[in-house]
Amino acid sequence: KAGVTQTPRYLIKTRGQQVTLSCSPISGHRSVSWYQQTPGQGLQFLFEYFSETQRNKGNFPGRFSGRQFSNSRSEMNVSTLELGDSALYLCASSLAWEEHNEQFFGPGTRLTVL
Amino acid sequence: AQTVTQSQPEMSVQEAETVTLSCTYDTSESDYYLFWYKQPPSRQMILVIRQEAYKQQNATENRFSVNFQKAAKSFSLKISDSQLGDAAMYFCAYRSANTGNQFYFGTGTSLTVIP
Repeated sequence: KAGVTQTPRYLIKTRGQQVTLSCSPISGHRSVSWYQQTPGQGLQFLFEYFSETQRNKGNFPGRFSGRQFSNSRSEMNVSTLELGDSALYLCASSLAWEEHNEQFFGPGTRLTVL
Repeated sequence: AQTVTQSQPEMSVQEAETVTLSCTYDTSESDYYLFWYKQPPSRQMILVIRQEAYKQQNATENRFSVNFQKAAKSFSLKISDSQLGDAAMYFCAYRSANTGNQFYFGTGTSLTVIP
């Protein structure tokens, strides 16, 4: 099975712009979660989608949004980019809401905001 | 919200030796899961080991084992016979049994393996 894929791998934007990141989960996985990873903060949970519905949401401003399509692929969007949004954005997929469910991570999208 | 603390930003170990990475967490829940993930440089995050809170027995996976102390809310990772390929950032993570796939991660411990 192919792993979790994320596109693009690298992205450079300027302040005020918006960006859309894409994540394709492992085939058969219906849950997709997004994380922001920065050196000082570690991984911060953004949101989780399951069957096209947002099931959980972290403490991020409304500029961060996401969606999931019927094929479980997910996108996240960041509007009005700020310098502090520079980070590695990780996507993780898992089968469903099961006990001790493992999350499989993608390689991430490295976003740089200038 | 649950918090996960890794108090060792960096650790080093001699090849073939044993190292223990620390993790503590704060929660009021009784049912949850704990994980250690490994992130090699410029590579994807992978699961190392997991522990169900309702299990008293510590999880082991080959050279990796945990010391789970539920009352102390401590979840340390022991790596035995360290290998060069173990060099990576290690993250401790908590997942509630009740709130789906929302994981809480620590800030990570960077492990260096010295040949």
